[in-house]
Amino acid sequence: DAGVTQSPTHLIKTRGQHVTLRCSPISGHKSVSWYQQVLGQGPQFIFQYYEKEERGRGNFPDRFSARQFPNYSSELNVNALLLGDSALYLCASSLLQGSDYGYTFGSGTRLTVV
Amino acid sequence: KNQVEQSPQSLIILEGKNCTLQCNYTVSPFSNLRWYKQDTGRGPVSLTIMTFSENTKSNGRYTATLDADTKQSSLHITASQLSDSASYICVVNSGGGADGLTFGKGTHLIIQP
Repeated sequence: DAGVTQSPTHLIKTRGQHVTLRCSPISGHKSVSWYQQVLGQGPQFIFQYYEKEERGRGNFPDRFSARQFPNYSSELNVNALLLGDSALYLCASSLLQGSDYGYTFGSGTRLTVV
Repeated sequence: KNQVEQSPQSLIILEGKNCTLQCNYTVSPFSNLRWYKQDTGRGPVSLTIMTFSENTKSNGRYTATLDADTKQSSLHITASQLSDSASYICVVNSGGGADGLTFGKGTHLIIQP
């Protein structure tokens, strides 16, 4: 069984550009969550999607957006990139929206903004 | 505000030695607590999960404890191996959706030969 897959694994962008990160959840999982992890810190919650609807949003600016597709895969979009957006972006999949079923993380996308 | 504090921030031990990592939390309500292992540049991998009624959970050489009264948890690693070098993150769940997770900053563990 494939785990949570994220693409690309690494990405370098310049300030002001736009980026799209992709995540495929574990087969059968209907919820995808996105996190930003700055070096030396714990992950910070960005979004959760369940059944293609946004079910939670963290304290991030409107430059960050996401969506979930009918096959439950998801995209995270970041516009007008800033140097401070450089981080490891993690996707986590879960069976349902509720947390009792646990979250499985992907390996992340390392975004560097120069 | 929900918070998870971990100590020490970093730790260096010799291969074969034991170590204990600490996690103190102020999260309410409480659903469960997980310890994750995160290799550099990789996603976190779950080691253990404990609910309110559990006070000990083992996974191989990893043993986690939970004291729900004092809101403290520990992760004990026995007979450390070089592959144990990683960050260990304590995550407390207050239930609901993914926004109910509160992450610690992690303990960076280095195992030296």
